[in-house]
Amino acid sequence: EDQVTQSPEALRLQEGESSSLNCSYTVSGLRGLFWYRQDPGKGPEFLFTLYSAGEEKEKERLKATLTKKESFLHITAPKPEDSATYLCAVQGRLQGQNFVFGPGTRLSVLP
Amino acid sequence: DAGVTQSPTHLIKTRGQQVTLRCSPKSGHDTVSWYQQALGQGPQFIFQYYEEEERQRGNFPDRFSGHQFPNYSSELNVNALLLGDSALYLCASSLRGKGSTEAFFGQGTRLTVV
Repeated sequence: EDQVTQSPEALRLQEGESSSLNCSYTVSGLRGLFWYRQDPGKGPEFLFTLYSAGEEKEKERLKATLTKKESFLHITAPKPEDSATYLCAVQGRLQGQNFVFGPGTRLSVLP
Repeated sequence: DAGVTQSPTHLIKTRGQQVTLRCSPKSGHDTVSWYQQALGQGPQFIFQYYEEEERQRGNFPDRFSGHQFPNYSSELNVNALLLGDSALYLCASSLRGKGSTEAFFGQGTRLTVV
């Protein structure tokens, strides 16, 4: 069974304090690993897709990396507007185009 | 370009009642998936519709059913509501393809069962 875990469960940072979020996964044939951002009461907003180990993608203060067992979302010099829940999800060969999501990491960036 | 739209945004129902939630996919997308997200958890896959047929289903009982229309919009129906069905219901649209593809989510419908 495909599984995704995320750590930490919650993270509080001061504005400008860089850190990383972890996503560990087990999947039968990875088709893609996805990062989404979710604000309270809203739907997830797509950030990145990673397909193979060694791949990296960047967007503003965010950078996602992928290994064979985990992915990291690095946040450089975060701002209060980066506060949200960050969700990691995988698509495996047995799931078609459906996602298995992790529980998310709640990020709070304090001014 | 309109993204994924869901209606209604909030809904309160009584145990035992039935509910219908609606979703219009992003322009150009042909596949709709539904997810249930309990408070503090990640979304859980319910089912996926493509070409007006249910293509895949997650671990949800038959009380959960759906439909896709020729214009690709979709409905999620839940019968005999339980308190545990209270959650944010998310619709995701994507384009069917051979490879992996990202999905775009609507803002969700918050269902409260009392």
